[in-house]
Amino acid sequence: KQEVTQIPAALSVPEGENLVLNCSFTDSAIYNLQWFRQDPGKGLTSLLLIQSSQREQTSGRLNASLDKSSGRSTLYIAASQPGDSATYLCAVPHANAGGTSYGKLTFGQGTILTVHP
Amino acid sequence: EPEVTQTPSHQVTQMGQEVILRCVPISNHLYFYWYRQILGQKVEFLVSFYNNEISEKSEIFDDQFSVERPDGSNFTLKIRSTKLEDSAMYFCASSEPTGPVYNEQFFGPGTRLTVL
Repeated sequence: KQEVTQIPAALSVPEGENLVLNCSFTDSAIYNLQWFRQDPGKGLTSLLLIQSSQREQTSGRLNASLDKSSGRSTLYIAASQPGDSATYLCAVPHANAGGTSYGKLTFGQGTILTVHP
Repeated sequence: EPEVTQTPSHQVTQMGQEVILRCVPISNHLYFYWYRQILGQKVEFLVSFYNNEISEKSEIFDDQFSVERPDGSNFTLKIRSTKLEDSAMYFCASSEPTGPVYNEQFFGPGTRLTVL
């Protein structure tokens, strides 16, 4: 059974800092990994999708890396801003016992990021 | 930019009542999902739906739950007899027709269900 863990659970940084959020997964046979942002009481906004064949994916100040063999992904946020304050979630699609996946995502518990001015 | 929409944003119901949560996926998407998030807990998968049938469902998705695509645009989740523990935020998601595995899932804003 796939388990997804995110550390740290919470992070508080001053504006302008570069920071790294970590995601680990127990089953390395993943198709891709998706990072989301969730604002309090709101939906999930997709930030980045990194395919299993990729090592990195970039979008603006965000950079996600993936190391399948070690079961890890990191989300790097450059020059953090107060508007980046949110919960960041990672998720991987799950394959059933027969190796088929219909896209079921298994989520980590998230990292709560606070960027203070 | 196309987005997934959900109605209502907040639903309050009495235990034992039926509720229907509605979603309009992105128009060219063919894979649809429901997830839920109990306050303070992880987002959990409920069900995936493709070609007018359930592809996969979780243990949570018991006989009290059903999904339907009643027309070309809506995707609904019905809970027949709500329990207190069904109180959660329910998210609808959709992904492109080229396959469920390789594509991003786009989530709606959620419906907060409160069962009293």
